[in-house]
Amino acid sequence: EDQVTQSPEALRLQEGESSSLNCSYTVSGLRGLFWYRQDPGKGPEFLFTLYSAGEEKEKERLKATLTKKESFLHITAPKPEDSATYLCAVQARGTSYDKVIFGPGTSLSVIP
Amino acid sequence: GAVVSQHPSWVICKSGTSVKIECRSLDFQATTMFWYRQFPKQSLMLMATSNEGSKATYEQGVEKDKFLINHASLTLSTLTVTSAHPEDSSFYICSARYFFQSEQFFGPGTRLTVL
Repeated sequence: EDQVTQSPEALRLQEGESSSLNCSYTVSGLRGLFWYRQDPGKGPEFLFTLYSAGEEKEKERLKATLTKKESFLHITAPKPEDSATYLCAVQARGTSYDKVIFGPGTSLSVIP
Repeated sequence: GAVVSQHPSWVICKSGTSVKIECRSLDFQATTMFWYRQFPKQSLMLMATSNEGSKATYEQGVEKDKFLINHASLTLSTLTVTSAHPEDSSFYICSARYFFQSEQFFGPGTRLTVL
């Protein structure tokens, strides 16, 4: 069964304290892996798509990497405005483009 | 680019009434739209997928007669919650994807409260 897990469930960082969020997936074949940011009471905001192992993408303080079994979202020198829930989602090969599996998310709090 | 809007952003209604939520893709043509439900501190739960001009595909356990979905054009999908009850209170979010694009782009969500 296709599955996506994320760790940790919650993370508190001091401003400027870099860290990483993990997304582990089990699918028969990966078509794409997505990272989203969700603020309370709002819809998810698209961040990155990764397609193959070894791929990396960056946006401001965020960097996403991908291996054959997991993805990391690295946050460098975070600021309080980076506080949000970060969702990982996976699209499997051999399925409809419509089938995307979301992980439970990591709630990040950055303390000033 | 890839902006999706939802209306209304919040709605309060009495039990037994029906509520319609609109989802629009503002700057692209959405061949596929999705409707999700999200409970507090939980991840997104896919309710249904709709393609323009076709009947929606509902996920297992989602009542198609209660949650009516219409994808009438490439920029508009609607979700109607019929005969709403307090247990239907939730945060409803739509997303849209355009042809052969992998990513889904989400609307801001609609908070439904049924009294």
